[in-house]
Amino acid sequence: ELKVEQNPLFLSMQEGKNYTIYCNYSTTSDRLYWYRQDPGKSLESLFVLLSNGAVKQEGRLMASLDTKARLSTLHITAAVHDLSATYFCAVEGETSGSRLTFGEGTQLTVNP
Amino acid sequence: DGGITQSPKYLFRKEGQNVTLSCEQNLNHDAMYWYRQDPGQGLRLIYYSQIVNDFQKGDIAEGYSVSREKKESFPLTVTSAQKNPTAFYLCASSLVLLYGEQYFGPGTRLTVT
Repeated sequence: ELKVEQNPLFLSMQEGKNYTIYCNYSTTSDRLYWYRQDPGKSLESLFVLLSNGAVKQEGRLMASLDTKARLSTLHITAAVHDLSATYFCAVEGETSGSRLTFGEGTQLTVNP
Repeated sequence: DGGITQSPKYLFRKEGQNVTLSCEQNLNHDAMYWYRQDPGQGLRLIYYSQIVNDFQKGDIAEGYSVSREKKESFPLTVTSAQKNPTAFYLCASSLVLLYGEQYFGPGTRLTVT
């Protein structure tokens, strides 16, 4: 059974600071997705990582994938208040067809 | 505009009543999914369907039922057998042939009293 763990689950940081969210998964996979969810809203796709060593960047967010370590990171650079949200990683297992297994989510609060 | 629509946005029901949540997509996606989200928690898969007239149970299918008679539509029925149905329900779809990135609808918040 594929398990996906994120840490930290809660992150409070000041504007202008850098931080990294980690996503570990338990079985072989080379397809990982990051989503953002604002309170009371749906999920918005942020990044699609489809191979070992993949790196994607959008604004102050950068995501990477290390399939050998079964680890993805979401790095936040010079955080701003607008980045406050919950971030989920989701993994597509090699034998799970189109199913995604989601992490518990990291609730990020960026304080002025 | 292509996308996924869910209706209604908010739904209130009395205990013991079945209720059906609508999900429609015009993205021409093959696969569709239903998730449940409880406050402060992640997403749990209820049911999914990769082709018309076929669907599979997810991790928490008990007390729910679905149908997939058309490619565009994947309604979810929350039955009276579901012990704790109050939650935020999210529908998603994906184009399976390429990779599994899922696109989500706006969600339905169901409250059962």
